[in-house]
Amino acid sequence: ELKVEQNPLFLSMQEGKNYTIYCNYSTTSDRLYWYRQDPGKSLESLFVLLSNGAVKQEGRLMASLDTKARLSTLHITAAVHDLSATYFCAVDADEGSNYKLTFGKGTLLTVNP
Amino acid sequence: GAGVSQSPSNKVTEKGKDVELRCDPISGHTALYWYRQSLGQGLEFLIYFQGNSAPDKSGLPSDRFSAERTGGSVSTLTIQRTQQEDSAVYLCASSLNRVGGYTFGSGTRLTVV
Repeated sequence: ELKVEQNPLFLSMQEGKNYTIYCNYSTTSDRLYWYRQDPGKSLESLFVLLSNGAVKQEGRLMASLDTKARLSTLHITAAVHDLSATYFCAVDADEGSNYKLTFGKGTLLTVNP
Repeated sequence: GAGVSQSPSNKVTEKGKDVELRCDPISGHTALYWYRQSLGQGLEFLIYFQGNSAPDKSGLPSDRFSAERTGGSVSTLTIQRTQQEDSAVYLCASSLNRVGGYTFGSGTRLTVV
């Protein structure tokens, strides 16, 4: 069974600081997704990472994928309050003839002034 | 449609009643997923439809839960004899292919009283 682990689960940081959220997964996959969820809202797609070494950046967020280490990182640069949300990583791996998107538990990010 | 549409957005029901939740995926998307998110929790996989293949029902928590997808488009998730532990947000997602990622609907917030 595919397991996806995120850490930390809770992150409180000050504006202007940098930090990294880690996402480890337990089986071979080269498809990893990052989502953002605001309170009471649905999931917003941030990044789709489809190959080893993939790196994508949008604003103050940068995501990377190392399929050999089964690890993805979401790096936050110079955090601002608007980035406060819950961030999920999800891995899409073959399970027999089906594909199942499995999520980590999420990282609740709070950016303080 | 432009996005994944779910209805109703909110549903309050009495314990023991049956409920139906609807998901209208993006036109042409062959894959459709149902997830459940309990308060403050991550996403729990329920069921997956891919084209005309038999659905992957491995995530359904009990035989009170069932889902169908008619004509490869709209899906209905039915919960019979609802219990208080069924209270959660039920999210639907669709995908054309995994390269393009997965698009989530706004969810149905189910409250069983």
